[in-house]
Amino acid sequence: EAGVAQSPRYKIIEKRQSVAFWCNPISGHATLYWYQQILGQGPKLLIQFQNNGVVDDSQLPKDRFSAERLKGVDSTLKIQPAKLEDSAVYLCASSLGLRGESNQPQHFGDGTRLSIL
Amino acid sequence: SQQGEEDPQALSIQEGENATMNCSYKTSINNLQWYRQNSGRGLVHLILIRSNEREKHSGRLRVTLDTSKKSSSLLITASRAADTASYFCATGNFYNQGGKLIFGQGTELSVKP
Repeated sequence: EAGVAQSPRYKIIEKRQSVAFWCNPISGHATLYWYQQILGQGPKLLIQFQNNGVVDDSQLPKDRFSAERLKGVDSTLKIQPAKLEDSAVYLCASSLGLRGESNQPQHFGDGTRLSIL
Repeated sequence: SQQGEEDPQALSIQEGENATMNCSYKTSINNLQWYRQNSGRGLVHLILIRSNEREKHSGRLRVTLDTSKKSSSLLITASRAADTASYFCATGNFYNQGGKLIFGQGTELSVKP
């Protein structure tokens, strides 16, 4: 079984520029998550999709971050404009997403390490 | 917000020793999961324990859950250098959190050969 694919692995941009990350979840996984992981901390959920619908985006800074999962498969996360505090690893994860079932392991990609200069 | 808090933040042991990491959380849960993260990689799911379970084993891993104390522990027996990684607990509560997990800050484990 192929794992969660993310690209790019690394990205360096200057503040106020824009950047986009791509994620392809495990085939058949209905739920997709984007996390932000700042160095030395645990992952923080930014947005959760169930198929192509948003389940939770309560911690997504909507003035600068956006995400979409148009066909219910792969997803993109965009930051525009970037700030220095956005320097972090952006992780994508997926799970089977059985309705009403929270007891499911999440499968993570290796993330995109973003550095803002 | 971070619900789980791991203790200790860092742990250094010799190969062959046991490693114990603790996790405390604040609100009620349906399940608690432990994940491992190697440097520069994504998280890997290790074990899931439901709120009605008290102990679970998987290979060299043993997880306990005490819902009355809102705490969990992860024991790795006979540690190996390859166990060097960060370990995170994550709590799930479908009714309060939907399907999402809330991760703690992690314990950084170093196993010296």
